[in-house]
Amino acid sequence: NAGVTQTPKFQVLKTGQSMTLQCAQDMNHEYMSWYRQDPGMGLRLIHYSVGAGITDQGEVPNGYNVSRSTTEDFPLRLLSAAPSQTSVYFCASSRHRGFEQYFGPGTRLTVT
Amino acid sequence: DAKTTQPNSMESNEEEPVHLPCNHSTISGTDYIHWYRQLPSQGPEYVIHGLTSNVNNRMASLAIAEDRKSSTLILHRATLRDAAVYYCILIGETSGSRLTFGEGTQLTVNP
Repeated sequence: NAGVTQTPKFQVLKTGQSMTLQCAQDMNHEYMSWYRQDPGMGLRLIHYSVGAGITDQGEVPNGYNVSRSTTEDFPLRLLSAAPSQTSVYFCASSRHRGFEQYFGPGTRLTVT
Repeated sequence: DAKTTQPNSMESNEEEPVHLPCNHSTISGTDYIHWYRQLPSQGPEYVIHGLTSNVNNRMASLAIAEDRKSSTLILHRATLRDAAVYYCILIGETSGSRLTFGEGTQLTVNP
């Protein structure tokens, strides 16, 4: 199993640009989530999904959209990038809500 | 969400056991105690979790106090690769799978 994969590893955007961070898992996990981690800080939940077709907001959803059309994929879309969105983004999955989560390697995003 | 308290940092020597404490005095009856760790420039990694009884897996052991107000993550023989930030997290019905990471414990392993 590849586990949780994320692309790209690094990205630089200009303010106002949009882009999609990709996340995929091959473990047939129902639950997937997106977090951001700012330097020296903990993780903050952006959005999560308990299954295909179902998504919900986390702590910091503003400026981000998600969709879950398949069990495997959970892309995160930045609508109009802002410098405040400079961060490391982690995608995670787990068998069900409340079970142990498996994290991807992260995407380091810089918005100038 | 119930809070956890961990020491900011701890040091250990290679091949010695490490005991990482976590206090969670406001834990509710349905909260599971999860431990994750994060190595430099990597995503968090699940270590172990438990509810009431002590737990063992290939990575570590988790000792849970009888009143569940504290727990200890035990690394039986620390290696240099175990140097990381260790997070103790409570997951229950209200938090669902929302992982609220506090500051964690920075573990330094000396060769």
